[in-house]
Amino acid sequence: AQTVTQSQPEMSVQEAETVTLSCTYDTSESNYYLFWYKQPPSRQMILVIRQEAYKQQNATENRFSVNFQKAAKSFSLKISDSQLGDTAMYFCASMSGSQGNLIFGKGTKLSVKP
Amino acid sequence: NAGVTQTPKFRILKIGQSMTLQCTQDMNHNYMYWYRQDPGMGLKLIYYSVGAGITDKGEVPNGYNVSRSTTEDFPLRLELAAPSQTSVYFCASSYSRSQSYGYTFGSGTRLTVV
Repeated sequence: AQTVTQSQPEMSVQEAETVTLSCTYDTSESNYYLFWYKQPPSRQMILVIRQEAYKQQNATENRFSVNFQKAAKSFSLKISDSQLGDTAMYFCASMSGSQGNLIFGKGTKLSVKP
Repeated sequence: NAGVTQTPKFRILKIGQSMTLQCTQDMNHNYMYWYRQDPGMGLKLIYYSVGAGITDKGEVPNGYNVSRSTTEDFPLRLELAAPSQTSVYFCASSYSRSQSYGYTFGSGTRLTVV
């Protein structure tokens, strides 16, 4: 069975600084995908970034990037130049190649302070 | 595009009452999902569907039923509401089992059972 663990229930960062959110996962699959979702107070689930496990290159989307360490089963999210609008819950999720259902971690509540 | 639309946004039920949470998508996605999100927890899969007429159980299906008569609609039925079903419910859809697409989520339904 797949599991996703986020060990930081809450984090805070000053506006314009950089913050890294941690995520570890466990899977027996060789083909899988990893995601970070953002959930602002509006409750909407927004896809931030995705990573295919077979790609060694770390995914990047503007200010968001990941550090994918496949051997360590680690998938951290780095937010650069943090903005007030980044304040939200962030969920790490994995999806196996064979089943295709998203498995979520418990989330990290990020607060960006002015 | 409307994307994934869920109704209602909020609902209070009494113990033992029944209700249906509606979900519809206009993206012609074959795959649809129902998740629940409890406070401080990630999302857990209730049921999913890979196409019209085909549904399957997820991690936490007890107390729920689903149907998929059309590609667009995937309602979730609670037959005998219990306090343990107090949660936020999310419907999601995806184009295919090609995992790199991720999911499109609705805005959620907050259900309270008293």
